[in-house]
Amino acid sequence: AQKVTQAQTEISVVEKEDVTLDCVYETRDTTYYLFWYKQPPSGELVFLIRRNSFDEQNEISGRYSWNFQKSTSSFNFTITASQVVDSAVYFCALRGRTFAGANSKLTFGKGITLSVRP
Amino acid sequence: GAGVSQSPSNKVTEKGKDVELRCDPISGHTALYWYRQRLGQGLEFLIYFQGNSAPDKSGLPSDRFSAERTGESVSTLTIQRTQQEDSAVYLCASSLVPVVSIPETQYFGPGTRLLVL
Repeated sequence: AQKVTQAQTEISVVEKEDVTLDCVYETRDTTYYLFWYKQPPSGELVFLIRRNSFDEQNEISGRYSWNFQKSTSSFNFTITASQVVDSAVYFCALRGRTFAGANSKLTFGKGITLSVRP
Repeated sequence: GAGVSQSPSNKVTEKGKDVELRCDPISGHTALYWYRQRLGQGLEFLIYFQGNSAPDKSGLPSDRFSAERTGESVSTLTIQRTQQEDSAVYLCASSLVPVVSIPETQYFGPGTRLLVL
């Protein structure tokens, strides 16, 4: 069985603060894929990043960075110098190994509501 | 290009009525997924379509739920005899089909907010 745990439910920060969103996962697959999605108030999920289990290199994209630690089964997301527009619900998701054409359904965490105050 | 679209954006219905939710995937995306998001919860997988293959219905919560897809385009999720517990946001996603063992990224629509009174 696969499971994604986002222990933080709500986080509130003041603009320009750094904030880290935690994600811990469980899977028996040796090859798997991790995702982060952003859900702004409009409701549409916006894809942020996909990470393969065999690539532990951390990634930075502008103010966003991701720390993948296979040893602790974590895939944490940091926003540097947060802005009001970052206010949203953030979901971490997991997908196990797939085969061509197979169901790539995602297992989601419950999400973290981030509020950035001016 | 156009993203995934869903209609209606909001639906209020009375308990016991049937509802139909529609999803238009991104053109060229042959894989289509339905998910349900209850208030304060993550997304739960419902059903998966890929081309002409039999759909994976393993996530449907009861036989009141069904879905169809016309070829590689529009999909309709039907909930019969709605219950208050069906109130949720129903999200559709589409993706390309992987040709090797790498999942393609799923792109989501804005969802349909269903409220059963």
